Amino acid sequence: DQQVKQNSPSLSVQEGRISILNCDYTNSMFDYFLWYKKYPAEGPTFLISISSIKDKNEDGRFTVFLNKSAKHLSLHIVPSQPGDSAVYFCAASGETSGSRLTFGEGTQLTVNP
Amino acid sequence: KAGVTQTPRYLIKTRGQQVTLSCSPISGHRSVSWYQQTPGQGLQFLFEYFSETQRNKGNFPGRFSGRQFSNSRSEMNVSTLELGDSALYLCASSFQGTPYYNEQFFGPGTRLTVL
Repeated sequence: DQQVKQNSPSLSVQEGRISILNCDYTNSMFDYFLWYKKYPAEGPTFLISISSIKDKNEDGRFTVFLNKSAKHLSLHIVPSQPGDSAVYFCAASGETSGSRLTFGEGTQLTVNP
Repeated sequence: KAGVTQTPRYLIKTRGQQVTLSCSPISGHRSVSWYQQTPGQGLQFLFEYFSETQRNKGNFPGRFSGRQFSNSRSEMNVSTLELGDSALYLCASSFQGTPYYNEQFFGPGTRLTVL
């Protein structure tokens, strides 16, 4: 039972354009969501998070949008840079799951110069 | 502030052996969680320790165990290794105000290969 899904295994964008990574979840008890970036041979790096009381959170070039009714969140990166090329994971947690993060499968983002 | 450190970075073991992995959290962080990453299953939660007590547990067999010391350092042990245990084992630490409303910061991982 995949409770967090990232349906796009890969995404390719041009440098300077917007990257939009999507994530869907099925567990209505999730109320805290995070995005991580991962380079090969490294651990995931925390990017940005959002709680269910908000529908948007922004940090520099990164913005996360949450649509609770659709159980959908997205990460926008503007402008995209070649150094953003990595695998992006969305993760979710909630009061009933405690500290356990449930991860999506990841999306490989490639930003072309 | 130093990040999460994990030792060793790479390990090769044979089936039936046991292995111990170590994790040092960020200074001041009291929670340590362990995750397994495999190509087929993605990132899966193993367990979490807080103040030397296991507070949360994933769906892994009893061969996977852990502990946390008074300085918040944590170890994970896998006994009777199987080929399917080959994976990247990641440790994450968080400060832990509320149990779940906290960013978790990951270490570089230990790559375990079971032959």
